[in-house]
Amino acid sequence: LAKTTQPISMDSYEGQEVNITCSHNNIATNDYITWYQQFPSQGPRFIIQGYKTKVTNEVASLFIPADRKSSTLSLPRVSLSDTAVYYCLVGDMYPTFSGGYQKVTFGIGTKLQVIP
Amino acid sequence: SQTIHQWPATLVQPVGSPLSLECTVEGTSNPNLYWYRQAAGRGLQLLFYSVGIGQISSEVPQNLSASRPQDRQFILSSKKLLLSDSGFYLCAWIRVGDTQYFGPGTRLTVL
Repeated sequence: LAKTTQPISMDSYEGQEVNITCSHNNIATNDYITWYQQFPSQGPRFIIQGYKTKVTNEVASLFIPADRKSSTLSLPRVSLSDTAVYYCLVGDMYPTFSGGYQKVTFGIGTKLQVIP
Repeated sequence: SQTIHQWPATLVQPVGSPLSLECTVEGTSNPNLYWYRQAAGRGLQLLFYSVGIGQISSEVPQNLSASRPQDRQFILSSKKLLLSDSGFYLCAWIRVGDTQYFGPGTRLTVL
């Protein structure tokens, strides 16, 4: 399993763009990169997923360099409601064994605190 | 659309008592199901996963067990709870090629 490393915490002011970088030096060819958001006492919620280059949706952008050994989640113009823990995960989306079981590992994530 | 349910939402149990947490999924078939535990201020620890009825794999040795009596039902159990079993328990499901979807979680406090 590819291990991920991300900052433990980050602070940002409202309205700023926030970039959270995740390192995954041992990422495998079949691995995708997925980011989740978790509020206290709630289950993680999917934000964005990508394999290479850039992915953008209505919530965030994900930048993945050519070597795929890192990725950056970009949150445009954060608000107080974006205060949460953000997890970077790396895993095989199309496993060919174990009946299609996909195994991913959650780290401790990055605690983002948005300041008024 | 797919929905995942967990109950109870919160639970306070004495040490040594049994445990049964239930997770059910709607709107899909043959999901891969997962049980995670999150201790305070920690990441998610994968406890069990299941690829089908009666098929359970354990990730960590502990006094917990899991069962999958039906395709869309996943149960986490214990015969005797320990203080260290306190935490936030999350059920998740996934289909191959898709992301994981998490339930609302159960907050367990063992006293």
